[in-house]
Amino acid sequence: QKEVEQNSGPLSVPEGAIASLNCTYSDRGSQSFFWYRQYSGKSPELIMSIYSNGDKEDGRFTAQLNKASQYVSLLIRDSQPSDSATYLCAVNRGAQKLVFGQGTRLTINP
Amino acid sequence: DGGITQSPKYLFRKEGQNVTLSCEQNLNHDAMYWYRQDPGQGLRLIYYSQIVNDFQKGDIAEGYSVSREKKESFPLTVTSAQKNPTAFYLCASTPGSNEKLFFGSGTQLSVL
Repeated sequence: QKEVEQNSGPLSVPEGAIASLNCTYSDRGSQSFFWYRQYSGKSPELIMSIYSNGDKEDGRFTAQLNKASQYVSLLIRDSQPSDSATYLCAVNRGAQKLVFGQGTRLTINP
Repeated sequence: DGGITQSPKYLFRKEGQNVTLSCEQNLNHDAMYWYRQDPGQGLRLIYYSQIVNDFQKGDIAEGYSVSREKKESFPLTVTSAQKNPTAFYLCASTPGSNEKLFFGSGTQLSVL
């Protein structure tokens, strides 16, 4: 079992719809969780961080964390073509080490 | 401006050759990291360093070496022992535990 798992996609969503990205992790002791967006050939950029159970909203983005189910998700509302990218889930497993999932490629169709 | 600078942007390696990727940061961060990314894949940790003159192996350290003689610098050497070095290499830093990573712009390494 991989430490952090994501559906690799591709995930295709119509413009204006909600895109839902999911991530599961294996280490119950994980304390912090991050979503990064990566455009092709570029470095990842942080979209959201979440540390406690529940929802965290920032503009069109909402991160959801359920530690009991070892599940973290990212919702993108009112999806725009500029949201087309690969989204990486990352989990902090202690000692300042982040473990990344394989990424989900998202395409927003105009 | 504060940030992380990686160089070169593109690098080509001949068989049997060692090559060194540069990573410099002026963010005053203690921890620095090297990740490898293969096409369509996530990031895998090669090496990391939490303080000067100390570093630890990550998940895929074989065929790589690092040094941390200065807080600002964390160069990565891809040795001839790394038989499949073609990948996108990312350097990152963070100010402390549970903090976000700041990434450099990456180096694309290819084999001639």
